[in-house]
Amino acid sequence: DTAVSQTPKYLVTQMGNDKSIKCEQNLGHDTMYWYKQDSKKFLKIMFSYNNKELIINETVPNRFSPKSPDKAHLNLHINSLELGDSAVYFCASSQAGGLYEQYFGPGTRLTVT
Amino acid sequence: EDKVVQSPLSLVVHEGDTVTLNCSYEVTNFRSLLWYKQEKKAPTFLFMLTSSGIEKKSGRLSSILDKKELFSILNITATQTGDSAIYLCAVANTGNQFYFGTGTSLTVIP
Repeated sequence: DTAVSQTPKYLVTQMGNDKSIKCEQNLGHDTMYWYKQDSKKFLKIMFSYNNKELIINETVPNRFSPKSPDKAHLNLHINSLELGDSAVYFCASSQAGGLYEQYFGPGTRLTVT
Repeated sequence: EDKVVQSPLSLVVHEGDTVTLNCSYEVTNFRSLLWYKQEKKAPTFLFMLTSSGIEKKSGRLSSILDKKELFSILNITATQTGDSAIYLCAVANTGNQFYFGTGTSLTVIP
């Protein structure tokens, strides 16, 4: 059973398009996250969300928006894709409180042409 | 600004060598420090440290935290080619935010 799953694993699209990446966790965790990992392998937080609070990294363009239909899902929607959005996007989840490790999904490699 | 800095950025060693990876941090409302290993796909959890001076150990890997000097080290003894990966250090604050370092890329040559 996959603890944190993401779809799709690969996404190739053109500039200007709108796309979504889905994430689901079956661990019963309270908090979910989206990270962007660029070509230099730096893992940068984009959002964290639990059923009470959305925390947004202020450097993330507002073309990116998280959508959570329920506690087990946190989808990432991206409007007007740009070349610089090409990266691997990881979803993760953890229990709340900073005393629990994060479990990562397999990643979605987004390529914008 | 909260930040986590890892060194070295990359390291190449021969099998059997011992390596030490460093992680320093400046994070407000520190809660825990975590080490992850990332091979081809997603990071996988290695250790969580919350208290100074208490070593966590798993096989050939060990880690320790110094909350006074704000750093942690990850030691790998008798390295093997399977240890080749990017090692990520992350710090969590009490608000459940995780700050990652840039990682150390370790290559173990046979």
